[in-house]
Amino acid sequence: NAGVTQTPKFQVLKTGQSMTLQCAQDMNHNSMYWYRQDPGMGLRLIYYSASEGTTDKGEVPNGYNVSRLNKREFSLRLESAAPSQTSVYFCASSTGQLDTQYFGPGTRLTVL
Amino acid sequence: GNSVTQMEGPVTLSEEAFLTINCTYTATGYPSLFWYVQYPGEGLQLLLKATKADDKGSNKGFEATYRKETTSFHLEKGSVQVSDSAVYFCALSDPTDSWGKLQFGAGTQVVVTP
Repeated sequence: NAGVTQTPKFQVLKTGQSMTLQCAQDMNHNSMYWYRQDPGMGLRLIYYSASEGTTDKGEVPNGYNVSRLNKREFSLRLESAAPSQTSVYFCASSTGQLDTQYFGPGTRLTVL
Repeated sequence: GNSVTQMEGPVTLSEEAFLTINCTYTATGYPSLFWYVQYPGEGLQLLLKATKADDKGSNKGFEATYRKETTSFHLEKGSVQVSDSAVYFCALSDPTDSWGKLQFGAGTQVVVTP
């Protein structure tokens, strides 16, 4: 049982480049989330998807887009990367409201 | 809005010492409270949770009690091990939020030395 998987693990981009972070879960969860982790700031929610076909903005959505491709997969896209988007990105999933969220191993992104 | 405040780290202590990490929260309703742990190079894992006042969550020797009167959820362990070295996050989930989003504190790094 893989749980939540994320690809890639590491990525270096130049300013202005685009990329998509992939996330998949095999727990049949309805809800999926994207967070970014920055030193001294904990995790902040970028976007979330309560169920297949729905997405909504979190605390820090600017510069990002998401796609809930199906129940398993939830991708995060940076259309034009900026140095301020250097961070560690975590995907999570849960059955639903107030349920435990399960996190992937993270993607460490550096934008030069 | 909702917020979580936890003590700054790093917290450095010797093996078998007592650990306390303070966490207080601000919420409009009656949130569920969580402690997550992040070991070096890994994602976050749920350590324990409590869903209502006076509930005590416990796991792996760690405990935390949901104190509504002091809006706190302090994490404690009686005798830490080197393997407990990690970053600990306090978090809340507001039941009035239908999507169950987590609000995290900044995290507290714990370093346990032999």
